[in-house]
Amino acid sequence: AQSVTQLDSQVPVFEEAPVELRCNYSSSVSVYLFWYVQYPNQGLQLLLKYLSGSTLVESINGFEAEFNKSQTSFHLRKPSVHISDTAEYFCAVSDQNRDDKIIFGKGTRLHILP
Amino acid sequence: GAVVSQHPSRVICKSGTSVKIECRSLDFQATTMFWYRQFPKQSLMLMATSNEGSKATYEQGVEKDKFLINHASLTLSTLTVTSAHPEDSSFYICSARSSRVSNTEAFFGQGTRLTVV
Repeated sequence: AQSVTQLDSQVPVFEEAPVELRCNYSSSVSVYLFWYVQYPNQGLQLLLKYLSGSTLVESINGFEAEFNKSQTSFHLRKPSVHISDTAEYFCAVSDQNRDDKIIFGKGTRLHILP
Repeated sequence: GAVVSQHPSRVICKSGTSVKIECRSLDFQATTMFWYRQFPKQSLMLMATSNEGSKATYEQGVEKDKFLINHASLTLSTLTVTSAHPEDSSFYICSARSSRVSNTEAFFGQGTRLTVV
């Protein structure tokens, strides 16, 4: 079964500093990968996704993630964070061949320091 | 984009009563709906997957008689927590997927915070 590991439960970072949120998944089979963001007291929103093609995917608000098949990773990065990026970030995986469940990691709380 | 609406957003109920949570896809037909449970400061745990017109498939460890899921139409799925107890207090989130909208992406509701007193 698929599983997702987010090594950091919480990441504090100063405003305007770069950040990387780590994500590794368990299986080497073909997968779809996602990053979801959950702002305080809200539901989940899709931040970005990897389906196929270019291994580097970007969101409209400056985040990017790179799919690395050999390392089974999909780390999320942003070169300069803003206070509004404070949220919980969830990495998720879905098996391409089964196309049903989306399995989530435990989440990483991004805490922006002024 | 596709919108999923979940109702109610918050509910408080007495121990022993049942609570129904609705999940609606507003502008698309959801062929598959998922129900998740999120404990404080933890990830979303998939509870069950339901396809319109068929019985839900529950994940291991989830009591199907406790958490009743009905997916009666392509735009509505309901989760009923029966005989709720304080340990059932949690954040419940639904998501919906449509092959016409996206074969890969699921769209999430806003969540329902259930408190059992």
